[in-house]
Amino acid sequence: EVQLVESGGGLVKTGGSLRLSCAASGFSFSGYNMNWVRQAPGKGLEWVSSIDSSSRSIYYADSVKGRFTISRDNAKNSLYLQMSSLRGEDTAVYYCARDHRAYTYRNCFDLWGQGTLVTVSS
Amino acid sequence: DIVMTQSPDSLAVSLGERATINCKSSQSVLYSSNNKNYLAWYQQKPGQSPKLLIYWASTRESGVPDRFSGSGSGTDFTLTITSLQPEDVAVYYCQQYYSIPPYTFGQGTKLEIK
Repeated sequence: EVQLVESGGGLVKTGGSLRLSCAASGFSFSGYNMNWVRQAPGKGLEWVSSIDSSSRSIYYADSVKGRFTISRDNAKNSLYLQMSSLRGEDTAVYYCARDHRAYTYRNCFDLWGQGTLVTVSS
Repeated sequence: DIVMTQSPDSLAVSLGERATINCKSSQSVLYSSNNKNYLAWYQQKPGQSPKLLIYWASTRESGVPDRFSGSGSGTDFTLTITSLQPEDVAVYYCQQYYSIPPYTFGQGTKLEIK
């Protein structure tokens, strides 16, 4: 089955760190650019970060630049998001999402995980 | 950054009737070299992840019912749902993928049954 499964969310104190993981299965993970998108409680979708298939091109939203690090391990079919210096406004469900087309840039997202909730509280 | 603005914020439509959601981008998302609009629509049902409905502004994703259609070009786009069904209750988002980073989404339109 083609799927993405996130893990690693939880409750963390303000200023703390957390590492999210996304396990991919059922498709050729190494050929796709991957993304993290978050959704604060009751709010809309916010793109967080993207990484291309070879990890050569990486992008971040201004809101997380310098605090979050995206990475991937193609041998393990896994995507990661290392989050540090966490703030209350980082509280959200974090989704990993696959680019629509392999080996290309500027795509929408055709496959989403179920999400993992990150709660940042003092 | 390209700002995406949806209207209305919420919408109530009777079963079997047509629902229309609009999305406007702050600059054109039409790429002249391939004549494609880099605009997608997503559906998010309560408690679920977003689901891709439409890409290239008007191409339905595989498995999406044909009562969903997308139209528009440049800066103005529309998602139309003909003959609304109970399972269509959701929040709908547009997204541009023309000028990245960042990818930007509209604020969402909540669709309910009247």
